Parts: sequence; structure tokens; C-alpha cells
Amino acid sequence: QSLLTQPPSVSGAPGQRVTISCTGSRSNIGAGYDVHWYQQVTGIAPKLLIRAISDRPSGVPGRFSGSKSGTSASLAISGLQAEDEADYYCQSYDSSLSAYVFGSGTKVSVL
Amino acid sequence: QVQLQESGPGLVKPSETLSLTCTVSGYSMRTTTYYWGWIRQPPGKGLEWIGLIYYDGKTFYNPSLKSRLTMSVDTPENQFSLQLNSVSAADTAVYYCARSFRGSTWTRENFCFDFWGQGALVTVSS
Repeated sequence: QSLLTQPPSVSGAPGQRVTISCTGSRSNIGAGYDVHWYQQVTGIAPKLLIRAISDRPSGVPGRFSGSKSGTSASLAISGLQAEDEADYYCQSYDSSLSAYVFGSGTKVSVL
Repeated sequence: QVQLQESGPGLVKPSETLSLTCTVSGYSMRTTTYYWGWIRQPPGKGLEWIGLIYYDGKTFYNPSLKSRLTMSVDTPENQFSLQLNSVSAADTAVYYCARSFRGSTWTRENFCFDFWGQGALVTVSS
């Protein structure tokens, strides 16, 4: 059972906007620790997509954006493309576990 | 460009020790900036952080694995390693090595993982 809860799946048509939530608690996201997002295409290692809530590493398209409010964070994908089909994970730090924690993962499907 | 590559046995017997090495290229681990880590992913499941190590050997372990875990670093060879004792089927996973990177601050709790190896599947079975 992950401490960071994500919806198992989201889907959208090409060009649409989808959002993925990452719900935590006062010992992780709510404590002010950064939230990071990763994209994992099937069979490939995860790729850092968003760093520190909303910062995109070099090479990440601008259609990916992140935000945070209270004990939750969100990843938005605008202008959904077929190549965005992948699993997405949030990551933060939990002070009660003294460990980095990953979300349960969300599978994005492009209809 | 930083590259990481995991290596080690793909099959380990129950109760034995899982050992993996990560070779880093394109960047010297002696540079004091970064920590280096291990993350694993059981087949069809999510990601689990295992531990971090610094170039000087300082370690931070996931408390859930700490009693069975040893990480070490070999800076001349630009490698770091993982040993997990007393393995069971629950330890079957793809094991990734990765470089940690700062978040909004250099506070360790805000680290993310910016470069990853391709992963090594380790199966625990007799």
C-alpha cells in the first residue's frame, strides 16, 4: 500500500488534456517535501519528467506541467499525444518512514 | 552524458545474497555533488526506493530493508554496489541504479533521480 495514492488509470483522446493526482499526507507532501514525477514506458527505465513540483528538465516538452496544493500534487498533460502512453509515478519523501516514497502509479492511455 | 549500467546474477536462490554492481560512465563519482541510489520494481508493480550512497561511503537505507542491506562504493572503478541478504521470492524485481539530484533545495529529503540505468531483472527461485 503506497503512501502516495494515484488513480490506476486515466485516458484521453489525442489533443486533450489529462491530469493525474498524487494524494499524500502531512508526513510527506503536506510536510513541504518536493514532489517529482516520472514517466515509464513499458519495459524501459523511468524518466524524470517533472522535478520539484513544477520544474521540467531539459528536453521535456512543455505540455507536461506540475502543481501542488496542500497534501496533494498533480501532473497535467496538455495536447495529449500517442507517445505519452506510459505509466506515471509521483515521488516524495516521508518523514514517518524516513524514506523516499513513490506513488502507486497511473497508466495513461491515448484513445 | 551520464550513463549507468547494472550488472550481476539474474537468478538467486532463496535465503542467499543478491549482489549487483552499477558502473557509472560520463561522470566521476568522486565529485562531491551527488548521491547514488538503488530502486527496485517487482514485476507488474510500482517502484520502491532501496538506498542511497555518497562517494565517501555514507549511506541512507530504506528502513524496511536496512537489516538485510549493504551498499558500498568503489570510486576508482566508478562503481557502487548493492548486497541484499536472506532473499525470498518477494525480492524478485527489476533493480535500477540511479543518480540522485537536487530538488528545490540540496536538502537530501528533496532529492529526485535524474539518470537511471536500464535495469536488471533478478529472480529469486530455487
